[in-house]
Amino acid sequence: AQSVTQLDSQVPVFEEAPVELRCNYSSSVSVYLFWYVQYPNQGLQLLLKYLSGSTLVKGINGFEAEFNKSQTSFHLRKPSVHISDTAEYFCAVSYLYGGATNKLIFGTGTLLAVQP
Amino acid sequence: DAMVIQNPRYQVTQFGKPVTLSCSQTLNHNVMYWYQQKSSQAPKLLFHYYDKDFNNEADTPDNFQSRRPNTSFCFLDIRSPGLGDAAMYLCATSRLFGPTSYEQYFGPGTRLTVT
Repeated sequence: AQSVTQLDSQVPVFEEAPVELRCNYSSSVSVYLFWYVQYPNQGLQLLLKYLSGSTLVKGINGFEAEFNKSQTSFHLRKPSVHISDTAEYFCAVSYLYGGATNKLIFGTGTLLAVQP
Repeated sequence: DAMVIQNPRYQVTQFGKPVTLSCSQTLNHNVMYWYQQKSSQAPKLLFHYYDKDFNNEADTPDNFQSRRPNTSFCFLDIRSPGLGDAAMYLCATSRLFGPTSYEQYFGPGTRLTVT
């Protein structure tokens, strides 16, 4: 069965500092990996995705993530955060359901709290 | 811009009073999903439609129903809301085939309050 683990429920960081949000997954089949961001009282916005190819994936707002198959990880990084990056970040894995539609399994989320 | 729209953004209902949440999309996607997200938790899939084919998650309470009258619209009906149903409800869509079929596009959500 597929699952996603985000060990850090909250990550406090100072503005302009680098940050890494950790995500590990377990799956017996090939998966597709995503990071979504959610601002307060908003829906989920796709930050980046890994489907295949290069293991280093660049997304919006200066974020990037690296897919590591041997460690079953997909950590999200940003070299310099801004106050506006304060939000909840969800890692998710997609798998094929019933041979047709795809389902997303979400991690429990990490609150990135950027302080001035 | 093509998008997923949810109405209303905020909904207040009384305990036991039926409520309907609405989702529409201009992306022409085959698949539509409804998620429930309680405070500080991950979204939880309630059900999804592949075209008109309805797929219920095993642990979705019977209190939750859904309708999809056409490709563009999907409704979530809560027949008798309880206090525990207060949550953010998220609608999402995806293609069925193609390289982007694994991506889901989310609406802004409807925050449901039960009094």
